[in-house]
Amino acid sequence: GAVVSQHPSWVICKSGTSVKIECRSLDFQATTMFWYRQFPKQSLMLMATSNEGSKATYEQGVEKDKFLINHASLTLSTLTVTSAHPEDSSFYICSAIASLSSNQPQHFGDGTRLSIL
Amino acid sequence: LAKTTQPISMDSYEGQEVNITCSHNNIATNDYITWYQQFPSQGPRFIIQGYKTKVTNEVASLFIPADRKSSTLSLPRVSLSDTAVYYCLVGEGGSQGNLIFGKGTKLSVKP
Repeated sequence: GAVVSQHPSWVICKSGTSVKIECRSLDFQATTMFWYRQFPKQSLMLMATSNEGSKATYEQGVEKDKFLINHASLTLSTLTVTSAHPEDSSFYICSAIASLSSNQPQHFGDGTRLSIL
Repeated sequence: LAKTTQPISMDSYEGQEVNITCSHNNIATNDYITWYQQFPSQGPRFIIQGYKTKVTNEVASLFIPADRKSSTLSLPRVSLSDTAVYYCLVGEGGSQGNLIFGKGTKLSVKP
């Protein structure tokens, strides 16, 4: 159980393009989803927290107009990288949590490798 | 916000037991300890979670002393496929503390 699907798994596009990444919880309802970015040989960095039906909460230094997050249902959150540039190339990973109670771990998608040319 | 400290890397051989320790001196009363495994180009995978004493599942054991200021992930009889980065997180469910990844421990298993 607790499967999180992320799509696409990789994308290559030209500079200036907007890219949408989907994160779905397949067998549970996710009250909250999280978006991370991971650069090579580094740890995961939290970008934003997404709650169904409300605006996302962004971490300091993450541009909300650059990284648009929509959490339209309890099973789907999307991250759109707008007007992507080479410095946005990274590994983007989402996670979902069934509830905010104390013993619920995050379940992660398999990530999206984004390469901007 | 409970910060965690782990060794940057560890080496082991196939068939050995591996113990990875995580320090979390500022752990709060309601915090749980969760361990994840990450392979290159994949998302982290949940391994085990505990609050106190010992927890065991089909892949690992987690030992937590009474003061809860540290925890040890124990992997019995590792294989080459256990080569990965292991992260220890401390926090309460979806709380901020449970979302901050440290540098993790790079485990290399050799034949």
